[in-house]
Amino acid sequence: DGGITQSPKYLFRKEGQNVTLSCEQNLNHDAMYWYRQDPGQGLRLIYYSQIVNDFQKGDIAEGYSVSREKKESFPLTVTSAQKNPTAFYLCASRELADPEQFFGPGTRLTVL
Amino acid sequence: QKEVEQNSGPLSVPEGAIASLNCTYSDRGSQSFFWYRQYSGKSPELIMFIYSNGDKEDGRFTAQLNKASQYVSLLIRDSQPSDSATYLCAVKVDSGAGSYQLTFGKGTKLSVIP
Repeated sequence: DGGITQSPKYLFRKEGQNVTLSCEQNLNHDAMYWYRQDPGQGLRLIYYSQIVNDFQKGDIAEGYSVSREKKESFPLTVTSAQKNPTAFYLCASRELADPEQFFGPGTRLTVL
Repeated sequence: QKEVEQNSGPLSVPEGAIASLNCTYSDRGSQSFFWYRQYSGKSPELIMFIYSNGDKEDGRFTAQLNKASQYVSLLIRDSQPSDSATYLCAVKVDSGAGSYQLTFGKGTKLSVIP
């Protein structure tokens, strides 16, 4: 089955720790995105990437980092510099010629 | 900053009625508009997108776009309890070189009452 997987589904982190969220897709999509969603809020773009080894900051990139070493993988690291990291994190991907973004199931991060 | 505004709701409609969800956007140059449905605790799924002024129909769903008024809406006919979800409006923002971003509204929570 083709799709986007995110792991883990739930993640707990102590303050001051870095944590990496996984996003993998086997849809052969070129573009990948990371969003953050807070309760009662829409999605806000953190980072996006159109090709391997290249990525751009979104609206709220501070305190986050990404890498795109492989086409199918786009991990997100939430660093200790992110002041309020507790949120629902969503990864998405799309074909460059297709406007539709497909979303993974999400990772819910809680900072204790 | 480009903004997308939606009434947060909740919007309650009886089963079988028409639900009308509205969205306004600030960037007059926006060209493409998307409606996503998000069930509680789940990821968004695309319902439909619209580029041109007027109506676009897909089954029970109709998207309406009025670029002069910077307004896009989603109508759900014959609403079902399974339509109860949060509906997110998103506007495409071109970033150049074939790249684009989506700016999302905060969503409208719809509740269909049996």
